[in-house]
Amino acid sequence: DAGVIQSPRHEVTEMGQEVTLRCKPISGHNSLFWYRQTMMRGLELLIYFNNNVPIDDSGMPEDRFSAKMPNASFSTLKIQPSEPRDSAVYFCASSLKGGGAYEQYFGPGTRLTVT
Amino acid sequence: AQSVAQPEDQVNVAEGNPLTVKCTYSVSGNPYLFWYVQYPNRGLQFLLKYITGDNLVKGSYGFEAEFNKSQTSFHLKKPSALVSDSALYFCAVRDKEGSTLGRLYFGRGTQLTVWP
Repeated sequence: DAGVIQSPRHEVTEMGQEVTLRCKPISGHNSLFWYRQTMMRGLELLIYFNNNVPIDDSGMPEDRFSAKMPNASFSTLKIQPSEPRDSAVYFCASSLKGGGAYEQYFGPGTRLTVT
Repeated sequence: AQSVAQPEDQVNVAEGNPLTVKCTYSVSGNPYLFWYVQYPNRGLQFLLKYITGDNLVKGSYGFEAEFNKSQTSFHLKKPSALVSDSALYFCAVRDKEGSTLGRLYFGRGTQLTVWP
């Protein structure tokens, strides 16, 4: 089992540029979550999907952030335009089902640096 | 509202000594409770969970956690700490009867350092 796959692992970009982060969940999992981790704010849930449908995007910071899940095996998180305060580690996680006692499995993360 | 509190930002213990990482939670109903560990430059890794039944839950790497409903706590424990246990530990909760369809509420994390 390959686990949750994220790409790229590291991204350095300049302020104003578009950034796209990618995630492949574990096969057979029907829930997908995007998190952001910073020293100041800890681990924040940005958005999550159930059966490819966004369920709760209340954690998305602002309109510059958008997420899609076109199919069960792929999701993207896009930031346009990026700002230095977006610098963080972004994690994707998946679980077999939403809710219940199912644990989430995390990817290795994408470390984003916006200069 | 659902929430988790990890009252200690840091826990330091000597190798071979028992360790405890504290967690208290708040849910409107009954909880599912989870512990995760994060090693440097890695994603969170699932350790153990409480669903129902026995209040003492055993997990990976010799860790266990004790559910205490009256104190709304779920402390993580290990009888004998290893230097390799040094990492960031997260507690998380989900309301069994909630309608959040999957959302886990995480604490801020506790940095465990085990010194030789």
